[in-house]
Amino acid sequence: EVQLVQSGAEVKKPGESLKISCKGSGYSFTTSWIGWVRQMPGKGLEWMGIIYPGDSDTRYSPSFQGQVTISADKSITTAYLQWSSLKASDTAMYYCARHLGYCTSTNCYGTLDYWGQGTLVTVSS
Amino acid sequence: QSALTQPASVSGSPGQSITISCTGTSSDVGGYNYVSWYQQHPGKAPKLMIYEVSNRPSGVSNRFSGSKSGNTASLTISGLQAEDEADYYCSSYSSSSTLYVFGTGTKVTVL
Repeated sequence: EVQLVQSGAEVKKPGESLKISCKGSGYSFTTSWIGWVRQMPGKGLEWMGIIYPGDSDTRYSPSFQGQVTISADKSITTAYLQWSSLKASDTAMYYCARHLGYCTSTNCYGTLDYWGQGTLVTVSS
Repeated sequence: QSALTQPASVSGSPGQSITISCTGTSSDVGGYNYVSWYQQHPGKAPKLMIYEVSNRPSGVSNRFSGSKSGNTASLTISGLQAEDEADYYCSSYSSSSTLYVFGTGTKVTVL
């Protein structure tokens, strides 16, 4: 059974750093891309970026490039999303999801077929 | 990053059919067959309902169907049930620098 299990809710202050995780199991972690999606309170879904754990090839949406870092540790089948300096506007639910499809050097084709349960990040002074 | 356009809300009575539209451009919906639909109940993670325009993942009811015409994709829910009340999002591959784009979301209400 494919499962993506995310780390628990976080409450942070502006300026603090944070790294949340997404552990995959039940499939070949190194040969499937994993994407990250943001959902701000009461709002829709926003695609942030995607990583191939096999070689850590990473693509970012322009809206999130430079704002977050996506990484993965294939030895423990875990992907990460991190911030070096949080802002109040980073308050949101963050989901990881397995990408069913493939990516070329410039494009990613497919869908997000299995999703983690989400990690709620609250940034408040 | 321009989101795909969906109606804010759609409603129907139990047993009826409803259709949700998702309008993009030739750079996303109209140009590629990588349109997906997700269902999200309150407080829950999204669930994949349709991929590649009209394919249903294993375990998804055949009451859900997808189609596309030009730059607009559609999700039809037939035999509407109370459990179908949720938010629905479309998504598509995009040849712009965003690579992937979601729709604005549609709240489905079962009357």
